[in-house]
Amino acid sequence: ETGVTQTPRHLVMGMTNKKSLKCEQHLGHNAMYWYKQSAKKPLELMFVYSLEERVENNSVPSRFSPECPNSSHLFLHLHTLQPEDSALYLCASSQDVDYGYTFGSGTRLTVV
Amino acid sequence: KQEVTQIPAALSVPEGENLVLNCSFTDSAIYNLQWFRQDPGKGLTSLLLIQSSQREQTSGRLNASLDKSSGRSTLYIAASQPGDSATYLCAVSLTGGSQGNLIFGKGTKLSVKP
Repeated sequence: ETGVTQTPRHLVMGMTNKKSLKCEQHLGHNAMYWYKQSAKKPLELMFVYSLEERVENNSVPSRFSPECPNSSHLFLHLHTLQPEDSALYLCASSQDVDYGYTFGSGTRLTVV
Repeated sequence: KQEVTQIPAALSVPEGENLVLNCSFTDSAIYNLQWFRQDPGKGLTSLLLIQSSQREQTSGRLNASLDKSSGRSTLYIAASQPGDSATYLCAVSLTGGSQGNLIFGKGTKLSVKP
């Protein structure tokens, strides 16, 4: 374990479902991130939270909704997804970029 | 716009060989560069972090170098082992502080044959 825990590890959902991904970090970091990894594409930044405030939203569709209730927890709420949203969703945290990023193991999402 | 390129996309070597993975970036104004390892279907494991003011970092059999002016980094793996088989990702950070954004390459998929 890296200190960043993601649940669930795998998720299959229909296009009309609503689900949430959870990320928890026990490292005392002050920033958390959601990344998307699709086949044959580089990792793409989705959202950045710094001190529990959203500071970045990289033109992500509104069917993805992040929530950061405190500095240790990050959620990604999903609704009305499309099959092309199937991917590995990775959570990361950092304490100032000087010290690099720590990633979780990811949630493998399949939309059917 | 910063772009990160990794060459080769895939590499297969026999066990025991020394090898070099390459990473290049288009904008030299980076804050730092990080190498990660990713096993199939898994998350990322940080290997080495090089600050923009540094030239190299070493950890065990791994050595990463950084030439910021030419926009290049290399990851050297000595005496490769089958357990080193994974995808290796290079990422550059554009800004300092906790709001930094990592730009990733597509990775080099390494296979070390026994």
